[in-house]
Amino acid sequence: QKEVEQNSGPLSVPEGAIASLNCTYSDRGSQSFFWYRQYSGKSPELIMSIYSNGDKEDGRFTAQLNKASQYVSLLIRDSQPSDSATYLCAVNMRYSSASKIIFGSGTRLSIRP
Amino acid sequence: EAGVVQSPRYKIIEKKQPVAFWCNPISGHNTLYWYLQNLGQGPELLIRYENEEAVDDSQLPKDRFSAERLKGVDSTLKIQPAELGDSAVYLCASSYSLDTQYFGPGTRLTVL
Repeated sequence: QKEVEQNSGPLSVPEGAIASLNCTYSDRGSQSFFWYRQYSGKSPELIMSIYSNGDKEDGRFTAQLNKASQYVSLLIRDSQPSDSATYLCAVNMRYSSASKIIFGSGTRLSIRP
Repeated sequence: EAGVVQSPRYKIIEKKQPVAFWCNPISGHNTLYWYLQNLGQGPELLIRYENEEAVDDSQLPKDRFSAERLKGVDSTLKIQPAELGDSAVYLCASSYSLDTQYFGPGTRLTVL
């Protein structure tokens, strides 16, 4: 089992609709969760971070965290063509006495006009 | 505020040649990361520094890869000798402690 799992996609969503991206993780003790957006040929850029159960909203983006289910999601409202990118989920996981941020393999999102 | 700076942006070498990548993190960020990213995959950690100390290098192939972060600021990642399978994008990131990471533009390495 991968430590951080994402559906690779591509996920195709019509412009103006809600895009829902999902991520599951293996370490129940994880405390920090991040969503990065990566355009083709570019480096990842942070969209959202979330640390507590529930929802966190920032503009058109909402991150949702459910630690009991080991599940974190990203909702993009009013999807725009510029949202077409790969979305990476990252989780701060515990390893012995240290911790490490593990990235999923990403979900490719395509917004069709 | 300047972001993470990496150079070169692109590098093409023949196998068995050495190559080095340089990274300058965001000012004040004590944690520096080197990642490898293959096409269609997420970044994979090679090494993490806290100040000048390498605190996690468990995924660094030490037979051919080396890294240093002298004075706890700039860092260099070296591969010697390079193999065909080393072709990838090498990303540097920095953060204040183990928190939000900011990535540099990356170095795309092609080994022929």
